[in-house]
Amino acid sequence: QQQVKQSPQSLIVQKGGISIINCAYENTAFDYFPWYQQFPGKGPALLIAIRPDVSEKKEGRFTISFNKSAKQFSLHIMDSQPGDSATYFCAASGGGGSNYKLTFGKGTLLTVNP
Amino acid sequence: DVKVTQSSRYLVKRTGEKVFLECVQDMDHENMFWYRQDPGLGLRLIYFSYDVKMKEKGDIPEGYSVSREKKERFSLILESASTNQTSMYLCASSPVLATGTSVYEQYFGPGTRLTVT
Repeated sequence: QQQVKQSPQSLIVQKGGISIINCAYENTAFDYFPWYQQFPGKGPALLIAIRPDVSEKKEGRFTISFNKSAKQFSLHIMDSQPGDSATYFCAASGGGGSNYKLTFGKGTLLTVNP
Repeated sequence: DVKVTQSSRYLVKRTGEKVFLECVQDMDHENMFWYRQDPGLGLRLIYFSYDVKMKEKGDIPEGYSVSREKKERFSLILESASTNQTSMYLCASSPVLATGTSVYEQYFGPGTRLTVT
């Protein structure tokens, strides 16, 4: 059972464009929704995260939009740059107990063309 | 900076061999995790540990075991490697606050690409 569904699997954007990656979750106990960025040959690194008490969080060119009723959240990369080319993973966690573990989406390979 | 190191970047083993993947973190984190990453499947949790000598199964524990004898070190063991265990293996750690609450953010190592032939 896949608890976090991510789309698209791959995305090609021109430099300066907007990249949008979407995720949907099923477990209403989740209360932490991070996005991880992974460059080739590296481990994933936290990019930005949101909790369900807000609908949007912005850090520089990266924004998470969160829709609790629809159980969806998305990553928007404004003014996309070739250096943003990487694999992006959404994840979710929460519910107390040992549920600090993260459940990841399958990833989106973003290519930003110069 | 938090540093999570993995013993090998690349490893080639034969079917049936016992394989040890080592992970060390230098930030005194309580929680440690092992994932495997496969194209199109994302990151899947194999095992995690929230304290020395404590472990819990993740989503895909079959064919794997783990050992955590010291806080900073978490080992993944493939008892009898098989070709379907060819994958990228990622180790991660996360801290626990003084309040006892686990921090969700995980810090990842660079990964070990294991090939089983």
